[in-house]
Amino acid sequence: NAGVTQTPKFRVLKTGQSMTLLCAQDMNHEYMYWYRQDPGMGLRLIHYSVGEGTTAKGEVPDGYNVSRLKKQNFLLGLESAAPSQTSVYFCASSGTKGQGDYGYTFGSGTRLTVV
Amino acid sequence: EDQVTQSPEALRLQEGESSSLNCSYTVSGLRGLFWYRQDPGKGPEFLFTLYSAGEEKEKERLKATLTKKESFLHITAPKPEDSATYLCAVHSGSNYKLTFGKGTLLTVNP
Repeated sequence: NAGVTQTPKFRVLKTGQSMTLLCAQDMNHEYMYWYRQDPGMGLRLIHYSVGEGTTAKGEVPDGYNVSRLKKQNFLLGLESAAPSQTSVYFCASSGTKGQGDYGYTFGSGTRLTVV
Repeated sequence: EDQVTQSPEALRLQEGESSSLNCSYTVSGLRGLFWYRQDPGKGPEFLFTLYSAGEEKEKERLKATLTKKESFLHITAPKPEDSATYLCAVHSGSNYKLTFGKGTLLTVNP
């Protein structure tokens, strides 16, 4: 089925470890986003991309890096994980700048715990 | 800076008891207001897009309306399967992103 696929679904890291979250979409969307969702905070934008080879900072970019080498993939990296990065991470994509009639298509999320 | 405030934070209804969720927003040039449904352990699922004041959209037991300052999600005769968190988001100006509210957790008891 067409959509956004995130891997892994769950991960436990020790403080200081690094990891990469992978997001893949098969809808040929130009725009891709990484959000984190925390209790009482809602969805907050980490980084986003407006096309292959581009990335930009969102509201809470510190401690994260991203890359979009291929149009269908958007990677989120944590170089040195901290307990404050314990969260649920969602990737999303959209086909137009104006988000269009269908808004974002979200992945099912990655639940990350940093101990 | 765009702001989205949803109320109430949580709402508990009996099956068949109609009610409304509120989304108040402050933006510079609204280009679209979105409603999503999120089930536990899953990503948000798109419901509606509204573009201008006075617009309404319906889907099954849900109806979304929009004014210049707020949007309502009306739930008519809800069923337990309508239990979820409902998220509101806005897209404004030349932004590339959506700004989300914190959501309303709806519980419908049988």
